[in-house]
Amino acid sequence: DAMVIQNPRYQVTQFGKPVTLSCSQTLNHNVMYWYQQKSSQAPKLLFHYYDKDFNNEADTPDNFQSRRPNTSFCFLDIRSPGLGDAAMYLCATSRDKGWDEKLFFGSGTQLSVL
Amino acid sequence: ILNVEQSPQSLHVQEGDSTNFTCSFPSSNFYALHWYRWETAKSPEALFVMTLNGDEKKKGRISATLNTKEGYSYLYIKGSQPEDSATYLCALFQGAQKLVFGQGTRLTINP
Repeated sequence: DAMVIQNPRYQVTQFGKPVTLSCSQTLNHNVMYWYQQKSSQAPKLLFHYYDKDFNNEADTPDNFQSRRPNTSFCFLDIRSPGLGDAAMYLCATSRDKGWDEKLFFGSGTQLSVL
Repeated sequence: ILNVEQSPQSLHVQEGDSTNFTCSFPSSNFYALHWYRWETAKSPEALFVMTLNGDEKKKGRISATLNTKEGYSYLYIKGSQPEDSATYLCALFQGAQKLVFGQGTRLTINP
C-alpha cells in the first residue's frame, strides 16, 4: 500500500546531541510537511517542501532544519535538542498545493530528550 | 496567527449513543476546513475537506457541517462504536499551504 513512513517510532536523544528524524513516501506527492505536536496541544507546522522549494514558518527555531534529497524522502534535523523539543513529530504529504488537498500522515516519531 | 478552537477537549460516550463536537475558527478569509481522525498508535487520516458555507459531508456514520459566516463546523457520529475512539482534529487552511490545527477532541467510546 502506498503510504507515508516515519522511522523510528520512538527516538531518545541527549540534551544537545544532534538528531535526525526520517520520513519517506510512496505516494509520489509534491508537498511534504513537518509538524510538531507537544503534549495535548495542536500540531504546529514547522516547514514544508513544495517539490524542492523549502518554506520555513517564521516562528520555527533555527535549531530545526530540513532536507529533501528527492521526492520520496524528507528529513528533520534538530541540531542541538533542548528539553523543550520533546514532542511528537509528524510528517505529512499532499498531492499538490491547494486548500482542498488533504494531508496524508505518517504515524509520527515520539522524541524524548534526556 | 489564527486560532482554531475545538470543544470539548475530551468526551466519553456510551456505545450506541450519538455525539457531536465543535470546531470554531475566524470567519474572515475562509478557504477550507479539514477534519482528521487520529487513532492511538496510528496515522491521522483525513475525514472531510469542506469549502462551501452550508456544506454537509458524510462518511458512513460520521457527518460534518460547515458555517463559514459564523465560523464553526460540527462533527456528528451516529450510533458510536468502540472503533470510533480517537482524537478528532480540525484544521483551517490559512493560505501559503498552511493548515492551522485545533488541539483536538479526544473521544472515548465506553462498551
